[in-house]
Amino acid sequence: DVVMTQSPLSLPVTLGQPASISCRSSQSLVHSDGSTWLNWFQQRPGQSPRRLIYKVSNRDSGVPDRFSGSGSGTDFTLKISRVEAEDVGVYYCMQGTHWPLTFGGGTRVDIK
Amino acid sequence: EVQLVESGGGLVQPGGSLRLSCAASGFIFSRYAMAWVRQASGKGLEWVSGISGSGGNTYYADSVKGRFTISRDNSKNTLYLQMNSLRAEDTAIYYCVGDYGDLEAFDIWGHGTVVTVS
Repeated sequence: DVVMTQSPLSLPVTLGQPASISCRSSQSLVHSDGSTWLNWFQQRPGQSPRRLIYKVSNRDSGVPDRFSGSGSGTDFTLKISRVEAEDVGVYYCMQGTHWPLTFGGGTRVDIK
Repeated sequence: EVQLVESGGGLVQPGGSLRLSCAASGFIFSRYAMAWVRQASGKGLEWVSGISGSGGNTYYADSVKGRFTISRDNSKNTLYLQMNSLRAEDTAIYYCVGDYGDLEAFDIWGHGTVVTVS
């Protein structure tokens, strides 16, 4: 199975400051069709997850442009340019290239 | 409005069975692959099972293979998960998830239904 490793586990951030979450996979996430199925999800307290980013860097409709995704191969990053109070929650990366589908362990973002 | 509403969760004894349902609305159900993802209390997300839009292809995590069965009724816009031989470690919130592709990116999430095996 592809192991997804996120860091840090916890990320206290000052409002208005940037935040960055790393996600590394145990093998390349480049699919045979050339796509890289690395996705990012946000789970706010008490809510179900929602997708923010798909295929490394494509932002979902309604997601603020302060969220951005980047990376390639086995190394990926989610960045929040200026953290707002509504960004508090747990962020998960997920790979959809290899079976079984696997998630990272999550990064908890909260406000200092 | 795009919506997934799960039902069927509850308390069941070890070795027992439960059938989860997920009612979809607001999108063309048959065009979406569907999946179940679970989350134990205070833990991360775990993919459980998936099914293609036609229902012709099904996929299972090793942890549930042989015990759980995923199915769908496109005429009723409903996804199911039959869970047999339940174990304490199956206790979790079970989320219904929709995917416009081939189960690569999990576009749409329900609010979840709680399964407790005790």
